[in-house]
Amino acid sequence: AQSVTQLGSHVSVSEGALVLLRCNYSSSVPPYLFWYVQYPNQGLQLLLKYTTGATLVKGINGFEAEFKKSETSFHLTKPSAHMSDAAEYFCAVTSLSGAGSYQLTFGKGTKLSVIP
Amino acid sequence: DVKVTQSSRYLVKRTGEKVFLECVQDMDHENMFWYRQDPGLGLRLIYFSYDVKMKEKGDIPEGYSVSREKKERFSLILESASTNQTSMYLCASSRGQSSSYNEQFFGPGTRLTVL
Repeated sequence: AQSVTQLGSHVSVSEGALVLLRCNYSSSVPPYLFWYVQYPNQGLQLLLKYTTGATLVKGINGFEAEFKKSETSFHLTKPSAHMSDAAEYFCAVTSLSGAGSYQLTFGKGTKLSVIP
Repeated sequence: DVKVTQSSRYLVKRTGEKVFLECVQDMDHENMFWYRQDPGLGLRLIYFSYDVKMKEKGDIPEGYSVSREKKERFSLILESASTNQTSMYLCASSRGQSSSYNEQFFGPGTRLTVL
């Protein structure tokens, strides 16, 4: 069964500091990996995704993530945090249902706070 | 601009009521999903549909049913609402029946309170 672990339900960083949100996964199918962001009172928005090819993936708003197969990780980083980055972030991995359909398994989320 | 819309942003219902949550997408997507989101638990899949009139149970289908009569519309039904179904409900859609890497597009969510 597929699973996603996000280390740290809450992360606080100072404005301008490095953002690092951790995600580890387990998957029995080739892992396709996603990071989503949720701003207060909104739905989820895709930040970036890894499918195949280059393991360093760049997304919107200056975020990037690196797929490391040997570590089963897909950590999200941003060099310099901005106040507008305060949100909840979800890591997700493709999973295969019993009927053979693809769906996403999400982590529990990490709430990012940015301190001025 | 792609869009997934949900019929209500906020809903208050009483225990035992039948509740309908509607979701519409305008992207001609084959797949549609219903999740519930609770603090500390992330998103949990309730049901999904990969074609009209087709449905598949997710991780927590108990107490819920779904209907997909048209490609663009996916309804979540709470036959007899209970207080433990108070939650944020998110609808999503994605392209392709067999593609494993197509992103899901989310609606804004419906915050349901059952009294």
